[in-house]
Amino acid sequence: SYVLTQSPAVSVAPGKTAKITCGGNNIGNKGVHWYQQKPGQAPVLVVYDDSDRPSGIPERFSGSNSGNTATLTISRVEAGDEADYYCQVWDSRSDHQGVFGTGTKVTVL
Amino acid sequence: QVQLVESGGGVVQPGRSLRLSCTASGFTFSNYGMNWVRQAPGKGLEWVAVIWYDGTNENYDDSVKGRFTISRDNSKNTLYLQMNSLRDDDTAVYFCAKGSGGSGFSYFDHWGQGTLLTVSS
Repeated sequence: SYVLTQSPAVSVAPGKTAKITCGGNNIGNKGVHWYQQKPGQAPVLVVYDDSDRPSGIPERFSGSNSGNTATLTISRVEAGDEADYYCQVWDSRSDHQGVFGTGTKVTVL
Repeated sequence: QVQLVESGGGVVQPGRSLRLSCTASGFTFSNYGMNWVRQAPGKGLEWVAVIWYDGTNENYDDSVKGRFTISRDNSKNTLYLQMNSLRDDDTAVYFCAKGSGGSGFSYFDHWGQGTLLTVSS
């Protein structure tokens, strides 16, 4: 099955930039979606189709995808951005299954 | 506004069955694919199953294939997950998630708050 690997944790100071990576074999050929989950809450979509933002998501959230790595970038980080972040793709090779990354905990210092 | 409300969770013994429900409102339910996603305590998100907008196609994660069945009743705006032969490692919060399109290749643009299933003897 398709595997998505994320670094477990990222720490960033307020006002700085956080980069969260999602590694997968030729992930650049897939559409990547990103979700933010705060403790005790349901996930929220923050980026879809590699780099598009749903309405209501700040422009500080951006995404890119190429080769074997997709990246979620959070610019001008705020305390409220502290959360777990998950990447997600569809694996059409094997019976069309959804796949989530392992998740990255973003801590705002 | 889109609302998804899960129900049916609880405590069940290993080997038993349970059915989860997700009642949808605020959108035309019959136009969108729907998913179940679960999260074991302290763990990450795990996709479970998807069903197309009209119920003609379903797909499952390997860990639940043959034990779980996803279905929908578009007349009742309700999504279901029938879970049989439950195991300890099925313990999780189960979220229903709305797809952005009618098929199964869409992203999850709205989520319910989840319902907790605990499998324990």
